[in-house]
Amino acid sequence: AQSVSQHNHHVILSEAASLELGCNYSYGGTVNLFWYVQYPGQHLQLLLKYFSGDPLVKGIKGFEAEFIKSKFSFNLRKPSVQWSDTAEYFCAVSLTSGTYKYIFGTGTRLKVLA
Amino acid sequence: DTGVSQNPRHKITKRGQNVTFRCDPISEHNRLYWYRQTLGQGPEFLTYFQNEAQLEKSRLLSDRFSAERPKGSFSTLEIQRTEQGDSAMYLCASSPGQARGWAEAFFGQGTRLTVV
Repeated sequence: AQSVSQHNHHVILSEAASLELGCNYSYGGTVNLFWYVQYPGQHLQLLLKYFSGDPLVKGIKGFEAEFIKSKFSFNLRKPSVQWSDTAEYFCAVSLTSGTYKYIFGTGTRLKVLA
Repeated sequence: DTGVSQNPRHKITKRGQNVTFRCDPISEHNRLYWYRQTLGQGPEFLTYFQNEAQLEKSRLLSDRFSAERPKGSFSTLEIQRTEQGDSAMYLCASSPGQARGWAEAFFGQGTRLTVV
């Protein structure tokens, strides 16, 4: 069965620190990849997505992610975090054939200290 | 607001009671999804619809759960004979359903169910 792994469950950073959140998926076929963010008390929102083409994708609020097919990874990065980035981050995968469901990782809770 | 709308936002029910949740997707989105999220976990897939057809159901969706999307617009999720283990946030999402799934899902605020 397809699955998504997020290795960091809780991350605490100071403002201006760099961020990298790991995401690995298990599926041998072609996938679409997403990072969602959930701010406290709010609904899941899309940060960025990868469908095809340039494996380095840029999203909102200065976030970017790199798809490395050989490693089945889609890590999220931000060079300098802000207090307002405190949130929970979810990596998700959808398949390009057979089923159109989205499979989510368990999430990473990020806390940024002012 | 043209986002995904879910009602109610909160529901407290006694064990054994039936509950029904409603989801109104973004207009013209033909795919609609139901997910369940518990504390410390990511959203877990329950089921999805393409228009009015229910195309896939997770094994998490026991016989006590049923979902419908009668006219391909709004959807309902009913849980019969609720159990304490059903306490969770129930999320609805919709997507435009482009060919080959090349679209992100848009999520609602969720319905938080507490079974006492």
